Amino acid sequence: LAKTTQPISMDSYEGQEVNITCSHNNIATNDYITWYQQFPSQGPRFIIQGYKTKVTNEVASLFIPADRKSSTLSLPRVSLSDTAVYYCLVGDRGSNYQLIWGAGTKLIIKP
Amino acid sequence: DSGVTQTPKHLITATGQRVTLRCSPRSGDLSVYWYQQSLDQGLQFLIQYYNGEERAKGNILERFSAQQFPDLHSELNLSSLELGDSALYFCASSTWTASTDTQYFGPGTRLTVL
Repeated sequence: LAKTTQPISMDSYEGQEVNITCSHNNIATNDYITWYQQFPSQGPRFIIQGYKTKVTNEVASLFIPADRKSSTLSLPRVSLSDTAVYYCLVGDRGSNYQLIWGAGTKLIIKP
Repeated sequence: DSGVTQTPKHLITATGQRVTLRCSPRSGDLSVYWYQQSLDQGLQFLIQYYNGEERAKGNILERFSAQQFPDLHSELNLSSLELGDSALYFCASSTWTASTDTQYFGPGTRLTVL
C-alpha cells in the first residue's frame, strides 16, 4: 500500500517559486498523484493531477520522476493568497482501492 | 462554489446522541466521499460510494455509517457521539473514471459535541 510523506511546513516570499515535494515510495503502477490546496475552514480545492513526467496548468506544475517515488508541486511566483495547506494524494486503483492522503504542508508566504 | 452542497453547516449536540449529515454531489458525479478533519489535523478518509455501492472504506468507526441513495445524495450517520468526534466533516464528489479522479469538496459540516 502506498504511503505519502511531505514536509510539515515551508516559508517563502512573494514572487518566488515554491516547490513542495511528496514522497510515495510504494506507489503502484496504476496510482495517480493529485495535489489539493486548503484554506482554513474550507474544503480542499483541486490543483493538479498526473501519472508521470510533467503536467502544467494555469496555476501550477507537477513534476514526477521516472521512478515515480516522489512528486513535486511547483507554484510559480507565489503571492500572499497562496498561504494555505497543500496535500498530496495517491490513489491506488488496485484490487483493494485506497485513498492515501499526505499529512499536508503548511505554506506561509511572507511579503 | 464547487457544486457540492452539505447540510447542516453547523451542528451542536451532546455526547451519546446521533446525528445525520447530508451531502448532495455535483450534477453528473456518481461518486461521493466522506472525510473527517479534526482541529489543525489532516484529512481522514472515511468512506467512498460509487453509484449507490460502497467503493472503498478508510478509517471509519463502527459507530459511523453512510449510504448513497438512488438520487446520488449521501448521508453520514454518527451515533453514540463522543467529545473526540467534534470535527469538520467534508463530503466530496467526483466522476471517478478509469484515468482521473478529481474530487470536488463541499463546504463542510462543523460538528461540535458537548
